Amino acid sequence: EAQVTQNPRYLITVTGKKLTVTCSQNMNHEYMSWYRQDPGLGLRQIYYSMNVEVTDKGDVPEGYKVSRKEKRNFPLILESPSPNQTSLYFCASSFSLVVSNTEAFFGQGTRLTVV
Amino acid sequence: GNSVTQMEGPVTLSEEAFLTINCTYTATGYPSLFWYVQYPGEGLQLLLKATKADDKGSNKGFEATYRKETTSFHLEKGSVQVSDSAVYLCALNSGGSNYKLTFGKGTLLTVNP
Repeated sequence: EAQVTQNPRYLITVTGKKLTVTCSQNMNHEYMSWYRQDPGLGLRQIYYSMNVEVTDKGDVPEGYKVSRKEKRNFPLILESPSPNQTSLYFCASSFSLVVSNTEAFFGQGTRLTVV
Repeated sequence: GNSVTQMEGPVTLSEEAFLTINCTYTATGYPSLFWYVQYPGEGLQLLLKATKADDKGSNKGFEATYRKETTSFHLEKGSVQVSDSAVYLCALNSGGSNYKLTFGKGTLLTVNP
């Protein structure tokens, strides 16, 4: 089954404790991205990757890191989480967004709470 | 840059009512337009899309028509069900050098029996 898998689904952590949210896709997609979803602000892109070893900042990259060492995986790293990073996070993948009608596939989301 | 504006929610309807969720956009070039749906506790999934002017996307009884003259892509359904309760997000992608999925803020729909 074609899917994007994020882990964990729920995470409560303390300020400053490094964490990683994993994302994996099984569709051989080139393009992957991370979003955060907040009430009243909608979905905002954090980082994206056009292909292996190619990553770039989205609209709200501060406080986040990513890596793309393999095509299927795109982990999101919070080196020193803060309470303002409490949010619902989504990983997405697609064959290529350069072709405008390409569908994006989303993971089920990770609800992160930083206390 | 590109932007999407959709009607603020929440929207509450009774079962079998008619649904319209408005979406307008600003974009460079000729974008493709999308509606995604987010059911409670789940990720986003594509509901329908349209790739050029006057195209109509449809799926699960939902429809939306790409109106270039009014830069709109309103979502409609003739008779909603309780199972349609979800967040609906309008999005666009101009592709090419402007590739990026740009989303509206989402509209929460609640359908009561």
